[in-house]
Amino acid sequence: AQSVAQPEDQVNVAEGNPLTVKCTYSVSGNPYLFWYVQYPNRGLQFLLKYITGDNLVKGSYGFEAEFNKSQTSFHLKKPSALVSDSALYFCAVRDGGDKLIFGTGTRLQVFP
Amino acid sequence: DSGVTQTPKHLITATGQRVTLRCSPRSGDLSVYWYQQSLDQGLQFLIQYYNGEERAKGNILERFSAQQFPDLHSELNLSSLELGDSALYFCASSADTVGGARAFFGQGTRLTVV
Repeated sequence: AQSVAQPEDQVNVAEGNPLTVKCTYSVSGNPYLFWYVQYPNRGLQFLLKYITGDNLVKGSYGFEAEFNKSQTSFHLKKPSALVSDSALYFCAVRDGGDKLIFGTGTRLQVFP
Repeated sequence: DSGVTQTPKHLITATGQRVTLRCSPRSGDLSVYWYQQSLDQGLQFLIQYYNGEERAKGNILERFSAQQFPDLHSELNLSSLELGDSALYFCASSADTVGGARAFFGQGTRLTVV
């Protein structure tokens, strides 16, 4: 079965600094990987996805993610964090072409 | 706005009761997914429907059931409610089940069982 792991419950970063939220995956076959963000009392919002092609994927709000096949990772990155980026971030993998399987989530806290 | 509408936004009910959560997918999306988000279990996939047919089942209790109607809206029925069923229930939709299709999420229904 496909799965993703987010090893950090929380990531703290100062505003203006680069941020990384980690995700590793375990899949059979080609992975379809996604990042979603959840703001308080809101649904999940799509940030970006990796299907195939360029290992560096650019997404919404200045976020990008790097697909690394040898390390089975799909880390989310942003060059300069904003306080407004503070939220809960979920990595996900498509399972069997259908449902999304989510990681446990990483809470990002950006301090002014 | 994702285009996915869930009603009601909040629901408070007593143990043993039955509730129905409703989801209207984005226009044209054939696939509907239901997820449960709780503090201890994270985001758990419950069930998926595609064009009216059940497509995949996850960690859905026997007390829970769902269906997708001809107009593609979906309902999640939760019965014999327990305190532990208190959670945020999300509906998501996507255009198809192709691996790369992104899912759009509604804002969720917060269920509180007292």
